[in-house]
Amino acid sequence: DIQMTQSPSSLSAPVGDRVTITCQASQDISNHLNWYQQKPGKAPKLLIYDASNLETGVPSRFSGSGSGTDFTFTISSLQPEDIATYYCQQYDNLPQTFGQGTKLEIK
Amino acid sequence: EVQLLESGGGLVQPGGSLRLSCAASGFTFSSYAMSWVRQAPGKGLKWVSAISGSGGSTYYADSVKGRFTISRDNSKNTLYLQMNSLRAEDTAVYYCAKGGTVVTIYSSLDYWGQGTLVTVSS
Repeated sequence: DIQMTQSPSSLSAPVGDRVTITCQASQDISNHLNWYQQKPGKAPKLLIYDASNLETGVPSRFSGSGSGTDFTFTISSLQPEDIATYYCQQYDNLPQTFGQGTKLEIK
Repeated sequence: EVQLLESGGGLVQPGGSLRLSCAASGFTFSSYAMSWVRQAPGKGLKWVSAISGSGGSTYYADSVKGRFTISRDNSKNTLYLQMNSLRAEDTAVYYCAKGGTVVTIYSSLDYWGQGTLVTVSS
């Protein structure tokens, strides 16, 4: 199975800050990487697909980059409504695997 | 508007069975692969199973292979997960999710249901 190592596991930042989460795959997955946001008690929501493509309707402060084994997810200006847990997911190989999640809080 | 509505969760004893359903609407159901993803209490997301749009190809995580069966009825726009020989470690919220790209299972999961809780306990 492809292991997805996400860091940090938790993060606290003030409103307006730039926030970055990284995800490293245990092998080359090209750009077959997605990012999801999950708010407490809710289903995950797709934010970024194919490493860098913004899902329709998602605010432009969210972005993604990377290919191969190293990927980055960025919120350019943190907003209170961004409080959630964020997951990366690879779909290059089955089983599809997720990172362990990054819990984002407001400082 | 795409909607996915899971049902069928509940409390079951170890070794028991349960069938989850996911009623889909708002898209051409038969054109998209569908998946089940679970989340144990306080834990992260784990992919469980996927099925092609036609239903002809199915895929499973090793942890459920031989115990769970994914299926779909395209005439009813409904996805299923038959879960047998349930274990305590299968306790989780189970989400159905729609594939983001026509035909292939190798894509994002662009819409998710609200989830249904399965609790395996005596």
